[in-house]
Amino acid sequence: KAGVTQTPRYLIKTRGQQVTLSCSPISGHRSVSWYQQTPGQGLQFLFEYFSETQRNKGNFPGRFSGRQFSNSRSEMNVSTLELGDSALYLCASSPGRGSTSPLHFGNGTRLTVT
Amino acid sequence: ILNVEQSPQSLHVQEGDSTNFTCSFPSSNFYALHWYRWETAKSPEALFVMTLNGDEKKKGRISATLNTKEGYSYLYIKGSQPEDSATYLCASYTGTASKLTFGTGTRLQVTL
Repeated sequence: KAGVTQTPRYLIKTRGQQVTLSCSPISGHRSVSWYQQTPGQGLQFLFEYFSETQRNKGNFPGRFSGRQFSNSRSEMNVSTLELGDSALYLCASSPGRGSTSPLHFGNGTRLTVT
Repeated sequence: ILNVEQSPQSLHVQEGDSTNFTCSFPSSNFYALHWYRWETAKSPEALFVMTLNGDEKKKGRISATLNTKEGYSYLYIKGSQPEDSATYLCASYTGTASKLTFGTGTRLQVTL
């Protein structure tokens, strides 16, 4: 069974630009969550999608948005990039929602904003 | 406790040593506690999901306990090996937040 796939692995963008990150979950998994990791910080929750609907959102500005398609693939978009958006963005999938489903993580997209 | 806190931040042990780390989390409206291992250049991997007070889980040389009343969990590694070197993350799920909140992790380095 293929794991969670994130593309691209690395990305370099300039301040003010926008970026779209992609996540393909494990086949059959319907829940996709996104996390941001910066040095010294734990994984910060961005949002969770289930059955194409955003179910929960973290404390991030409106520049961060996402969506989920009918095949459960998800995309995350960041507009008007700022230097502080430089981070590792991780996507995770699980079969369903709820507290007892362990997350299966992708390898992440490393975004650098210059 | 309002957030998930892990201690120590980092740990350096010799091969064969046994070690343990702590995860503290909000005890109110608790649903579940997750442990993940994150090796360098890899993705985080789930170790345990624990829900009941007094729960104990074991996977090889790694085990974990859970105290939901006081809001803490311990992760134990018996006879550490170099391949145990990783960052160990815990995350709690509460009904209030309806999401996993991660701690900043304990970075373990095991040397020969």
